[in-house]
Amino acid sequence: NAGVTQTPKFQVLKTGQSMTLQCAQDMNHEYMSWYRQDPGMGLRLIHYSVGAGITDQGEVPNGYNVSRSTTEDFPLRLLSAAPSQTSVYFCASWAASSYNEQFFGPGTRLTVL
Amino acid sequence: AQSVTQPDIHITVSEGASLELRCNYSYGATPYLFWYVQSPGQGLQLLLKYFSGDTLVQGIKGFEAEFKRSQSSFNLRKPSVHWSDAAEYFCAVAPRYNTNAGKSTFGDGTTLTVKP
Repeated sequence: NAGVTQTPKFQVLKTGQSMTLQCAQDMNHEYMSWYRQDPGMGLRLIHYSVGAGITDQGEVPNGYNVSRSTTEDFPLRLLSAAPSQTSVYFCASWAASSYNEQFFGPGTRLTVL
Repeated sequence: AQSVTQPDIHITVSEGASLELRCNYSYGATPYLFWYVQSPGQGLQLLLKYFSGDTLVQGIKGFEAEFKRSQSSFNLRKPSVHWSDAAEYFCAVAPRYNTNAGKSTFGDGTTLTVKP
């Protein structure tokens, strides 16, 4: 099993550009989530999904879109990148039966100039 | 609203010394409790978890944590620290009920430095 994979590992954008961060898991987990990690602020939940076709907002959803068309994939879209979105982004997944024990991807480091 | 507090931003210990990282939470009911570790440039890895039962839980890499309901705490301990334990440690809480299953909350993290 590859677990949770994220692409790309690094990305530099200009203000106003859009892009999609990819996340995939091969563990057949029902739940998936996106976090951003900023220095001294831990992980903050952006969006999460409890199954294909079902998503909900987390703590910091503004400027981000998600969709979940399959169990495996949970892409995160930045509609119009801003410097405030410079961060490290982590995707996680977990099984409904696992009491929220999350498996994390390796992260995407995004810089917006 | 649920919250997690890790009072120590940075801790330095000597190799071989004992370690305790503090975690306090605020939640309406006893949540699920977790400790994760993040090595530089890596994602988070689960160290241990508490769901119910015995309040002292054992994890990987020789770590343990004790849940104290009266203090709303879930402190992480290790009797003898190794240089490879240098990393950032996160405490997290998650709701017990599937209606809020996605909404885990993480603390701000504690960075552990190990002196030779």
